[in-house]
Amino acid sequence: AQSVTQPDIHITVSEGASLELRCNYSYGATPYLFWYVQSPGQGLQLLLKYFSGDTLVQGIKGFEAEFKRSQSSFNLRKPSVHWSDAAEYFCAVGARSGGGADGLTFGKGTHLIIQP
Amino acid sequence: NAGVTQTPKFQVLKTGQSMTLQCAQDMNHEYMSWYRQDPGMGLRLIHYSVGAGITDQGEVPNGYNVSRSTTEDFPLRLLSAAPSQTSVYFCASSGQGDQPQHFGDGTRLSIL
Repeated sequence: AQSVTQPDIHITVSEGASLELRCNYSYGATPYLFWYVQSPGQGLQLLLKYFSGDTLVQGIKGFEAEFKRSQSSFNLRKPSVHWSDAAEYFCAVGARSGGGADGLTFGKGTHLIIQP
Repeated sequence: NAGVTQTPKFQVLKTGQSMTLQCAQDMNHEYMSWYRQDPGMGLRLIHYSVGAGITDQGEVPNGYNVSRSTTEDFPLRLLSAAPSQTSVYFCASSGQGDQPQHFGDGTRLSIL
């Protein structure tokens, strides 16, 4: 069975500063990897996904993530955060057909706080 | 194109009551899943389905039943609600192949 670890429960970043959210996964084969964002009281929005190919993937809202097989990591980055980026961020891993065939395993989330 | 529709958005139940959370998708997706979200726990998989008539258990299936009689609908049933089932429930769907899951807006359920 797969698992996901997001080591940071809370992260505080100043507006305009760079951001990196960490995600480590455990899975025996090449996984499907995702980052989702959730604003308070809202549903989940897909930021980006890794299925195969180029290990650096670009997403929406200026986010990118890099798949590092040797480190079992899929860290999310953004060069300059905006106040509107304050939200909960979830990393997720799937095993079959993009994760849809047997569901996704989520990390516990990282709460991002933006300081003015 | 409505995507994944969950009803109701909010519900309050008493312990022991039964209820069905509805999930419908209009994208002709084969795969559907139910998750629950609790503070500090992320989302956990309850049940999932790979097509009409086929369902399977996820990480936290106890206390929940599902069925999939059509491609479009995947209802989640609580037969005898317990306070531990107070949570936000999300339904998701995706098509075959390498496609990400689309999530509904969630149902916030409180059990007193």
